[in-house]
Amino acid sequence: EDQVTQSPEALRLQEGESSSLNCSYTVSGLRGLFWYRQDPGKGPEFLFTLYSAGEEKEKERLKATLTKKESFLHITAPKPEDSATYLCAVQAGWETSGSRLTFGEGTQLTVNP
Amino acid sequence: GAVVSQHPSRVICKSGTSVKIECRSLDFQATTMFWYRQFPKQSLMLMATSNEGSKATYEQGVEKDKFLINHASLTLSTLTVTSAHPEDSSFYICSASTGASQPQHFGDGTRLSIL
Repeated sequence: EDQVTQSPEALRLQEGESSSLNCSYTVSGLRGLFWYRQDPGKGPEFLFTLYSAGEEKEKERLKATLTKKESFLHITAPKPEDSATYLCAVQAGWETSGSRLTFGEGTQLTVNP
Repeated sequence: GAVVSQHPSRVICKSGTSVKIECRSLDFQATTMFWYRQFPKQSLMLMATSNEGSKATYEQGVEKDKFLINHASLTLSTLTVTSAHPEDSSFYICSASTGASQPQHFGDGTRLSIL
């Protein structure tokens, strides 16, 4: 069974204080790892897709990396508007219905001014 | 790009009412659409996967007769909660994808409250 574990559950940072969120996964044949941001009362917003170990993607203050067992979402010099819940999800397997995602429980990030 | 529109955003209705939620991909054709349920402080729970023109595939424990899914075109899927009861109150979110290995793009959810 595919499993995704995110840590920490919650993280409080001061504005400008860089940090990383972790996503550990156990899957049978990774097809893709996805990062999303979710604001309260909204649907998740797509951030990144990573397909193979060693891959990195960047967008503004965010950088996602991938190894064979985990992914990190690095946040550099965060701002209060980066406050949200960050979700990690994996897509695994090679059957025709393999586009389903398995989500982690998320990391709730709060950035204080 | 990759915008998914979900309506209504909020529904409040009496027990026994059936409620329909629409999910549209506005600027792309979605071969697959997904319906999720999310409880407070929890992650998304997949309810069903639907492909255009095919019957939906429901996750274990999800009642297909209570949660009717129709995926009539490459841009529209609907979820009907039949004879809703207070325990069906939740945040329902749809997503759409152009295919395997592609990201799912999510709507903004529907807050369903059954009195």
